[in-house]
Amino acid sequence: AQSVTQPDIHITVSEGASLELRCNYSYGATPYLFWYVQSPGQGLQLLLKYFSGDTLVQGIKGFEAEFKRSQSSFNLRKPSVHWSDAAEYFCAVGAGDKIIFGKGTRLHILP
Amino acid sequence: EAQVTQNPRYLITVTGKKLTVTCSQNMNHEYMSWYRQDPGLGLRQIYYSMNVEVTDKGDVPEGYKVSRKEKRNFPLILESPSPNQTSLYFCASSPIPSGKGYEQYFGPGTRLTVT
Repeated sequence: AQSVTQPDIHITVSEGASLELRCNYSYGATPYLFWYVQSPGQGLQLLLKYFSGDTLVQGIKGFEAEFKRSQSSFNLRKPSVHWSDAAEYFCAVGAGDKIIFGKGTRLHILP
Repeated sequence: EAQVTQNPRYLITVTGKKLTVTCSQNMNHEYMSWYRQDPGLGLRQIYYSMNVEVTDKGDVPEGYKVSRKEKRNFPLILESPSPNQTSLYFCASSPIPSGKGYEQYFGPGTRLTVT
């Protein structure tokens, strides 16, 4: 069965520090992978997506993600976080007629 | 402006009183979907629609109904709401399903409280 696992429920980093949010997926075919961000009181906004080709994907707001087929992972990274990055982040996999979301990682930023 | 709109944004109601949450998109998308978001559970799909008059159950359809009479609208109906349906609801749309590679566009959410 298709699934998405985000092992970290909460992550706290200092402003200016680097960030990596982990995502592992289970899907039998070549996956379509997404990262969404949900700021407080807002809907979900697409950060980036992977369909094929280059395994390092660039997104908005300075985020990037790397697809590693051998590890079934699609980790999200940012070299230097800003206070405005505090939000909840969802990894997702496109599966047939659906998109399956992970349970989310809430990012807290220390000043 | 391309967008997905939901109404109302906030709703407090009582057990058993039928309600409808509207969803409309202006992007001519064929695929629309409803999700509920609960703490620690992420987003779970309630129903989705591949096109007009074509709807199907998601992972948590019990207690909900939908209809797709027009391409742009996809209302969510709670015939007899119960407290366990207290949640944050999102409508989303895309040109085709995300399993075929397209991102979904989300509405702002509807926070429902059933007492």
